[in-house]
Amino acid sequence: DVKVTQSSRYLVKRTGEKVFLECVQDMDHENMFWYRQDPGLGLRLIYFSYDVKMKEKGDIPEGYSVSREKKERFSLILESASTNQTSMYLCASRISNEQYFGPGTRLTVT
Amino acid sequence: QKEVEQNSGPLSVPEGAIASLNCTYSDRGSQSFFWYRQYSGKSPELIMFIYSNGDKEDGRFTAQLNKASQYVSLLIRDSQPSDSATYLCALDSGGGADGLTFGKGTHLIIQP
Repeated sequence: DVKVTQSSRYLVKRTGEKVFLECVQDMDHENMFWYRQDPGLGLRLIYFSYDVKMKEKGDIPEGYSVSREKKERFSLILESASTNQTSMYLCASRISNEQYFGPGTRLTVT
Repeated sequence: QKEVEQNSGPLSVPEGAIASLNCTYSDRGSQSFFWYRQYSGKSPELIMFIYSNGDKEDGRFTAQLNKASQYVSLLIRDSQPSDSATYLCALDSGGGADGLTFGKGTHLIIQP
């Protein structure tokens, strides 16, 4: 069974803080992704990575960065959190035609 | 710009009937198509994928793809109350490495 885990289910941060969201997968998948999901806007791709130390911008990368130092771990970084980054953040990993999501982190920025 | 359109619903279907969920897309280069189910407060779960024209069956689920008309559908036979969820259609144009493009989902309600 593929397992994608995320470091926190719920997180509350203050405006201007640096925020780290961690994602780990245990199936040796090369491709990993970060999405955010907002009511009325659906799932939107922030960043993705197809190999260690490789990263590509998705559709909405502004205000975010990522890090992939090990194959199993993909981190999303909010350099200076803002209230418009309050959202559900979903990590996913993929092999072939199967993309699996982690449980999500609901981030609130106050 | 890749776009995936779904009727947001809610779509209400009586228990035991067939639920039909539809999705249209704009990018003719799209190669693979996916259906996910998402319960409230949970992350999306992969139901099935399809990449060839025609039907693909998996248990009570059938995915249908028509690339000429640019639509994908999901049929759920013998609908159960536990099928009540939001169903997300997604497509992949890049061969797998660059993420999926998702529709906003259809909210399905199965009425006992």
